[in-house]
Amino acid sequence: QVQLQESGPGLVKPSETLSLTCAVSGYSISSGYYWGWIRQPPGKGLEWIGSIYHSGSTYYNPSLKSRVTISVDTSKNQFSLKLSSVTAADTAVYYCARHGYSGYDWAGYWGQGTLVTVSS
Amino acid sequence: QSALTQPASVSGSPGQSITISCTGTSSDVGGYNYVSWYQQHPGKAPKLMIYDVSNRPSGVSNRFSGSKSGNTASLTISGLQAEDEADYYCSSYTSSSNVVFGGGTKLTVL
Repeated sequence: QVQLQESGPGLVKPSETLSLTCAVSGYSISSGYYWGWIRQPPGKGLEWIGSIYHSGSTYYNPSLKSRVTISVDTSKNQFSLKLSSVTAADTAVYYCARHGYSGYDWAGYWGQGTLVTVSS
Repeated sequence: QSALTQPASVSGSPGQSITISCTGTSSDVGGYNYVSWYQQHPGKAPKLMIYDVSNRPSGVSNRFSGSKSGNTASLTISGLQAEDEADYYCSSYTSSSNVVFGGGTKLTVL
């Protein structure tokens, strides 16, 4: 059974960089699939942040592209998110997920989510 | 404002059928068969219910079905059950290689 677990600071100061890691168990990232990050501000809807192929190719939401970096570490079977210059608008529950084998348009496995608050 | 438009809420009685719409444009919903639907209970992660317009992942009840006509996709839940009460989100791949979501629909089982 594929399982994903997000980890990282729950509080980030404005203008700093948000960093999260998603540890994957039950499946080897290097074997395939797309992997991604989706967020949900409190009480609001879902927003796709970006995705990465197991080979390292990345795809980002145009509205966040200038601030987002997603990377993969196959040796640790995990992938990471960095979001720079954060503001209060970046406060959200951040989910990591496994997409499909041939695309990132849907996500079949999700982590439990981690709340990141941007505040001084 | 979300890229895809969903009704804010829908309701139905146990045993009934309901349909949730998801309206986009020819650059997303209408242009690709890459529409998916998610169910989200309070405090929980979303669960994939439908992918590629009408495909159900293994383990999802066949009471859930998806379809698309033009720029509007739909999720139908038949034989409504109390456990179906949740928020539902649609999403679509776009011509900009982006993924966009709808604003979500709260389903109330009366």
